[in-house]
Amino acid sequence: AQTVTQSQPEMSVQEAETVTLSCTYDTSESDYYLFWYKQPPSRQMILVIRQEAYKQQNATENRFSVNFQKAAKSFSLKISDSQLGDAAMYFCAYILPGTASKLTFGTGTRLQVTL
Amino acid sequence: DAGVIQSPRHEVTEMGQEVTLRCKPISGHNSLFWYRQTMMRGLELLIYFNNNVPIDDSGMPEDRFSAKMPNASFSTLKIQPSEPRDSAVYFCASSFLDSNQPQHFGDGTRLSIL
Repeated sequence: AQTVTQSQPEMSVQEAETVTLSCTYDTSESDYYLFWYKQPPSRQMILVIRQEAYKQQNATENRFSVNFQKAAKSFSLKISDSQLGDAAMYFCAYILPGTASKLTFGTGTRLQVTL
Repeated sequence: DAGVIQSPRHEVTEMGQEVTLRCKPISGHNSLFWYRQTMMRGLELLIYFNNNVPIDDSGMPEDRFSAKMPNASFSTLKIQPSEPRDSAVYFCASSFLDSNQPQHFGDGTRLSIL
């Protein structure tokens, strides 16, 4: 079965500091896409960043970057210069290519940002 | 551009009643997904459509749940009869058919069955 594991149910970071959220996944496929979604208390699901498995370069979006280790099937999210607005649930997900666009989500990590 | 639009945002009803959740995907998107989110189970995919055709409904919990997509701009998720254990947040998401494209989520419907 295809699975996504987020081993940290909760994390805390001080404002302006850096935090890394971990994610591992299990698939026998070699081509797939990975995503991090953010869900703030308003409960919107917001796309943070995405990575194509065939690209070795780690994706970056402003203060958000990933550490993609394909051999280890690891896809961690690094948030630099954390802000109060970063407090949210963060979900890791992946999808296999093809017309059946079925996202598989992890269980999420709740991130607290403290002053 | 308008995002995925879901209605209602909140729904409270008594068990046994029929509940209909509505979704308008982003214009041009040809894949639509219904998810359910609970504390116990997290995010679960219930059903998804490609080009208005249901592709996989294996996540639909019971026959009490049904979903339709009569056209490219509208979908419904119906629960009849509703039960307290159906209480959850229900999300609709849409995307282009190419799985390279991310899914865009609506704001969700918080459903409470008393």
